[in-house]
Amino acid sequence: AQSVAQPEDQVNVAEGNPLTVKCTYSVSGNPYLFWYVQYPNRGLQFLLKYITGDNLVKGSYGFEAEFNKSQTSFHLKKPSALVSDSALYFCAVRDPYSGAGSYQLTFGKGTKLSVIP
Amino acid sequence: GAVVSQHPSWVICKSGTSVKIECRSLDFQATTMFWYRQFPKQSLMLMATSNEGSKATYEQGVEKDKFLINHASLTLSTLTVTSAHPEDSSFYICSASRIAGDEQFFGPGTRLTVL
Repeated sequence: AQSVAQPEDQVNVAEGNPLTVKCTYSVSGNPYLFWYVQYPNRGLQFLLKYITGDNLVKGSYGFEAEFNKSQTSFHLKKPSALVSDSALYFCAVRDPYSGAGSYQLTFGKGTKLSVIP
Repeated sequence: GAVVSQHPSWVICKSGTSVKIECRSLDFQATTMFWYRQFPKQSLMLMATSNEGSKATYEQGVEKDKFLINHASLTLSTLTVTSAHPEDSSFYICSASRIAGDEQFFGPGTRLTVL
């Protein structure tokens, strides 16, 4: 079974500083990995995904994530945080080789990012 | 492109009544739609997967007779919460994929409150 861990419930960072939101995963095969952002009372917005290829993935709003197979991690990063980045961030994994459930996403519990002015 | 809408965005109902939530893919055809439930400060939990024209596949622990899912067309899926109770109060989010295994696009969610 696939799983995702986001070890931090909350991350606080000062505006202008770099931010990192951590994610580790567990799948039986090669994973498809995703990051989504959720603003209060809203659905999820797609940020970026890793399927194959370059381990460094660039996404929306200046975010990027690095796939590290040896550490089974896919941390989300941004060089300079904005107050408007404050939101709930979800990491998700899909195991494309898991048979009937291969197109299902498994989400982490989410990390609340607060960017302090 | 790839916009998914949900209606209503919020609903309040009395215990024992049924509530229908619509999920529409506005600018693409979705062969697969997913329904999630999210409790406050928690992650999304997949409830069921529906493919157009066939019965939905429910996750373990989700009552299919309570949460009725219909995916009658390539742009519309509905979730009906039957005989709703206060414990059904939650944020329900749908997503849609053009084809199974493709990227999921999420709707804005529906806040259900059962009194």
